[in-house]
Amino acid sequence: AQSVSQHNHHVILSEAASLELGCNYSYGGTVNLFWYVQYPGQHLQLLLKYFSGDPLVKGIKGFEAEFIKSKFSFNLRKPSVQWSDTAEYFCAVNRMDSNYQLIWGAGTKLIIKP
Amino acid sequence: ETGVTQSPTHLIKTRGQQVTLRCSSQSGHNTVSWYQQALGQGPQFIFQYYREEENGRGNFPPRFSGLQFPNYSSELNVNALELDDSALYLCASSLSSGRWYFGPGTRLTVL
Repeated sequence: AQSVSQHNHHVILSEAASLELGCNYSYGGTVNLFWYVQYPGQHLQLLLKYFSGDPLVKGIKGFEAEFIKSKFSFNLRKPSVQWSDTAEYFCAVNRMDSNYQLIWGAGTKLIIKP
Repeated sequence: ETGVTQSPTHLIKTRGQQVTLRCSSQSGHNTVSWYQQALGQGPQFIFQYYREEENGRGNFPPRFSGLQFPNYSSELNVNALELDDSALYLCASSLSSGRWYFGPGTRLTVL
């Protein structure tokens, strides 16, 4: 069965630290890749997505992610985090041949200390 | 805001009862998916509708059922509620492009 793994369930950082959240998936075919963020009390928002082309994608709020096909990875990065980045981050994958159903990682809770 | 709305926002039910959750898709979106997000977990795919027909289903029992209407709004029905059904239920709509827009969710508590 396909799966999406997020390496860390909880991450605590200080403001201005660099961030990298890991995401690996298990499907070998063509996939679309997403990172969503869920701020406390708010709904899921799309941070960035990869469909094709340049494997380094830039999203909102200074986030970026790199798709490495050989490693089945799509890690999320931000050079300098802010207190307002405190949220839960979800990696998700879908396949065109499965009607684009999203398969999700378990999420990473990120806490930024002021 | 994504243009996807869900109602109600919160709901409390008791075991054995039935519940209907509603979703209004973003204008023109002909595909809707429903997800269950239990506390501390990522969303789990329940099912998906495209132009009023179910075209995908996750690992959920038949007491989870749905409908999509001609205006592309949809419902999720859950019969014989169990304690483990307590979760945030998310609706997402798409124009068949693989990009999903999520609603704020309905928080269901089963006592």
